[in-house]
Amino acid sequence: DIVVTQSPDSLAVSLGERATINCKSSQSVSHSSCNGNCLAWYQQKPGQPPKMLIYWASTREFGVPDRFVGSGSGTDFTLTISSLQAEDVAVYYCQQFIDSPPRFTFGPGTTVDIK
Amino acid sequence: QVQLQQSGPGLVKPSQTLSLTCVISGDSIFNNNVAWNWIRQSPSRGLEWLGRTYYRSKWYNDYAISVKSRMTINPDTSQNHFSLQLNSVTPADTAVYYCARGKDSGFDSWGQGTLVTVSS
Repeated sequence: DIVVTQSPDSLAVSLGERATINCKSSQSVSHSSCNGNCLAWYQQKPGQPPKMLIYWASTREFGVPDRFVGSGSGTDFTLTISSLQAEDVAVYYCQQFIDSPPRFTFGPGTTVDIK
Repeated sequence: QVQLQQSGPGLVKPSQTLSLTCVISGDSIFNNNVAWNWIRQSPSRGLEWLGRTYYRSKWYNDYAISVKSRMTINPDTSQNHFSLQLNSVTPADTAVYYCARGKDSGFDSWGQGTLVTVSS
């Protein structure tokens, strides 16, 4: 099974500063069916379901602010929030969806807070 | 804009069956480009994909190994909804359960979530 890990577990960033979250997959998630990489990023606020932010590792979902940037390939990925806003306080998850039979494993999450 | 509305009991006794329904609006359960999924979230297990149903000229199901022997997902084509049944539940099945639409890009639409507690 593909294992997905994230770092750090949590981080606190000043408003307007950059937040960087790392995601690592135990196996490559590169595949042509995913326009490159079968990896997505989600944001979850308290009491709400996760919301997709980024898919195929670097494509923003419709309506997601451009301060959210996904990058990486193969086994190593990054979500960057270029200028943290108060409404970005949340837990962020990465998720792979390449395996067959499917497991669709999520990372453990990274909590982002205001310093 | 697709919307998923979940319903079902929030309390289930140990050894009984957990049943949830997810009503789809703004999309068809027959959509050949998506799958209809159940995912749960708990402090101990995090976000855990449970299974899916999808239509590609006929109906298919996939289940996570951890629940495969206890779980059934059924599409209801007349009501445009799908359901989850998880048998022989234990307190370890206590979690928030979500339905979600899956595409080749990930899970792009989610239900509101249902907290299910397994307790006598």
